[in-house]
Amino acid sequence: KQEVTQIPAALSVPEGENLVLNCSFTDSAIYNLQWFRQDPGKGLTSLLLIQSSQREQTSGRLNASLDKSSGRSTLYIAASQPGDSATYLCAPLGSSNYKLTFGKGTLLTVNP
Amino acid sequence: DAGVIQSPRHEVTEMGQEVTLRCKPISGHNSLFWYRQTMMRGLELLIYFNNNVPIDDSGMPEDRFSAKMPNASFSTLKIQPSEPRDSAVYFCASRETDATNEKLFFGSGTQLSVL
Repeated sequence: KQEVTQIPAALSVPEGENLVLNCSFTDSAIYNLQWFRQDPGKGLTSLLLIQSSQREQTSGRLNASLDKSSGRSTLYIAASQPGDSATYLCAPLGSSNYKLTFGKGTLLTVNP
Repeated sequence: DAGVIQSPRHEVTEMGQEVTLRCKPISGHNSLFWYRQTMMRGLELLIYFNNNVPIDDSGMPEDRFSAKMPNASFSTLKIQPSEPRDSAVYFCASRETDATNEKLFFGSGTQLSVL
């Protein structure tokens, strides 16, 4: 059974800092891994999807990396802004091709 | 597109009552998911439909839970009878195909409180 751990559970940084969110998973037999953002009282928004054959994906100030063999992924946010404040969740897609297993998330607060 | 649409946004009911949650997936998407989110357990997959057919309902916690997808544009999740431990946020999500490179799109969720 896939287990996903996200560290840290919460992070508070001043505006402008670069930061890294970590995700580890126990079963490396995955198709891909997605990073999501969840704002309070809202649904999840997919930020980046990394295929198992890829090492990283970039979108604007966001960069996600994947090391499938070691069961790790990181989300790098450059030049953080108060609008980045949200909970970030990672979710590997297992061999079933439809079952995402979600971590508990990292609650990010960017202070102005 | 308006995205995945869920209703109601909030539902407060008393224990023992029937609860029906509704979802309209993004037009053209053929995969639909129901998730439940709680502080203790995080996000859990309840059921997955592909082309309106339930493929995996192993996450449905009890027989009190049932889900239907009568057509490509509508799905329901029903709890009967409801219990306080069912209180959670229920999300519907859809994906264009069952291909593994497709992103998942979530609705805004239904906050369910069972008193």
